[in-house]
Amino acid sequence: DAGITQSPRHKVTETGTPVTLRCHQTENHRYMYWYRQDPGHGLRLIHYSYGVKDTDKGEVSDGYSVSRSKTEDFLLTLESATSSQTSVYFCAISDGGLGNQPQHFGDGTRLSIL
Amino acid sequence: AQSVTQLGSHVSVSEGALVLLRCNYSSSVPPYLFWYVQYPNQGLQLLLKYTSAATLVKGINGFEAEFKKSETSFHLTKPSAHMSDAAEYFCAVSESTGGSYIPTFGRGTSLIVHP
Repeated sequence: DAGITQSPRHKVTETGTPVTLRCHQTENHRYMYWYRQDPGHGLRLIHYSYGVKDTDKGEVSDGYSVSRSKTEDFLLTLESATSSQTSVYFCAISDGGLGNQPQHFGDGTRLSIL
Repeated sequence: AQSVTQLGSHVSVSEGALVLLRCNYSSSVPPYLFWYVQYPNQGLQLLLKYTSAATLVKGINGFEAEFKKSETSFHLTKPSAHMSDAAEYFCAVSESTGGSYIPTFGRGTSLIVHP
């Protein structure tokens, strides 16, 4: 299995608090992604990174920011959490920008915002 | 812009029956296509991928998918369902946007297998 670790695995917090989720990889892959998964919506891309300090927005980026200061770590931050951001968050990695490269996924972080 | 449609949010089959999960895509160029499986409380795992080498693609666990350009489809099949196949299945399409290939996922199909 690809070496991807998401932390924390579960988190409960209150509306208005900042939250940071971490994705750590040991595969030295260039691309890293953050998705959220909600019933009826499948996987929706929040942000992705194509290198250290190189990031771009996905389709549901409002309310989220990311940072990548090292190849192995990709952080997702909710500056002021809202109940609509209650979801399961998945990190994924891939070995480059070629379209034939599959993604490898972490086991997810279940985030509840009360 | 690319999009993926998975027909049926739930598909129910009996153990031993044929499994057919449908996926249609829209893309302006021949895309790269993938099927992933998700078991409860886990991340997605790659089942198979189409990268233009062959239209019929074989994957893990006895699954296969056929790329049909004329129908813009990439349906997933398995001749005989097992109880262990019960899971969520996602189709994804990857197309170049601004120099990067960013996948787009369908909404998923939950496969239910009855004894």
